[in-house]
Amino acid sequence: NAGVTQTPKFRVLKTGQSMTLLCAQDMNHEYMYWYRQDPGMGLRLIHYSVGEGTTAKGEVPDGYNVSRLKKQNFLLGLESAAPSQTSVYFCASTPGTGGAKTFGSGTRLTVV
Amino acid sequence: SQQGEEDPQALSIQEGENATMNCSYKTSINNLQWYRQNSGRGLVHLILIRSNEREKHSGRLRVTLDTSKKSSSLLITASRAADTASYFCATDPYNDYKLSFGAGTTVTVRA
Repeated sequence: NAGVTQTPKFRVLKTGQSMTLLCAQDMNHEYMYWYRQDPGMGLRLIHYSVGEGTTAKGEVPDGYNVSRLKKQNFLLGLESAAPSQTSVYFCASTPGTGGAKTFGSGTRLTVV
Repeated sequence: SQQGEEDPQALSIQEGENATMNCSYKTSINNLQWYRQNSGRGLVHLILIRSNEREKHSGRLRVTLDTSKKSSSLLITASRAADTASYFCATDPYNDYKLSFGAGTTVTVRA
């Protein structure tokens, strides 16, 4: 049982480049989330999804887009990367509201 | 904005000692959760305490919740080197899907 898998694990981008981070879960969870973690800031919610075909904005959505075409996958896109998007990105999923979240191992992104 | 705030920011203890960290939050919650993050890894769920519970145990972990003071504490007893990690509290508000995390407490257990 793989849980939540994030790809890639590391990436370096040049300012203005685009990329997509993939999150896949095999637990049939309804809800999926993208967070970013910066030093001293804890985790901040970027976007989330409460089911296949749905997405919603979190706390810091600017500069990111997401899609949930299949229940098991949640994609995070950066259309034009900026140095301020240098961070560690975590995906999480949960069966429903009010429950424990299962996290992926993270993607470390550096924008130069 | 961060809902939960942990205190202290960092804690260094000797192996075998107990470690206590606190979390304060601002609004009403459905439940409060504690997570552990080892260096360079993702977060791992430790324990969930509901708003109508006051204390919960899981192995060497003890969590308390005081909704009147909007605070929670996590106690790790008989600490081990493997407990070295960052610990985060996260609050789950009513009628919302979003979990809000604090900045964490970094615990170092010295051998």
